[in-house]
Amino acid sequence: EIVLTQSPVTLSLSPGERATLSCRASQSVSSAYLAWYQQKPGQAPRLLMYGASSRATGIPDRFSGGGSGTDFTLTLSRLEPEDFAVYYCQHYGSSWTFGQGTKVEIK
Amino acid sequence: EVQLLESGGGLIQPGGSLRLSCAASGFTFNSYAMSWVRQAPGKGLEWVSIVSGGGVATFYADSVKGRFTISRDNSKNTLYLQMNSLRAEDTAVYYCAKHSSSSYSFFDYWGRGTLVTVSS
Repeated sequence: EIVLTQSPVTLSLSPGERATLSCRASQSVSSAYLAWYQQKPGQAPRLLMYGASSRATGIPDRFSGGGSGTDFTLTLSRLEPEDFAVYYCQHYGSSWTFGQGTKVEIK
Repeated sequence: EVQLLESGGGLIQPGGSLRLSCAASGFTFNSYAMSWVRQAPGKGLEWVSIVSGGGVATFYADSVKGRFTISRDNSKNTLYLQMNSLRAEDTAVYYCAKHSSSSYSFFDYWGRGTLVTVSS
């Protein structure tokens, strides 16, 4: 079973700053099967990225994703007030495993 | 517009049973796999179960295997989760989620969730 470990657990930043979130897999995974979701308090998760680097419909281009093998990243180039939330990475395909999440909070 | 609306959650005693429903609209329901994903209070996301578009193939997380049954009624555009032998650790918000294709892909739409509380 693939285990996804996200870091940091919490990221404290100010609006306008750049955020870099990490997702590390316990074994190599195809980048085609890596997704990112955003979740705000009291809301359902929302798909941000799939295939590691493809933005979902309606996701602004300040969100970008990348990586390969065991190391993947989600980058928010310039934080907007609405971006403060919890972010989850996910491996999909033969199983559907989530990382434990990274909370991006206002500093 | 894709809409997923869960129902059926509530307070149930340990050992009890509950059936969750998810009414889907805005897409060709039988063309997509569907899953249930849960989130315990203050915790992360845990995939629970998946069913293929036709309803034939199903898979479960080890934590619920043998206790939960996923099914779908494509004539009613509705997804179900029958939960038996419930435990305190099953307490969570249960989301239904649409896969992006007929194959076992990522989740492109989620419902708002229904809360299941297992407690005496």
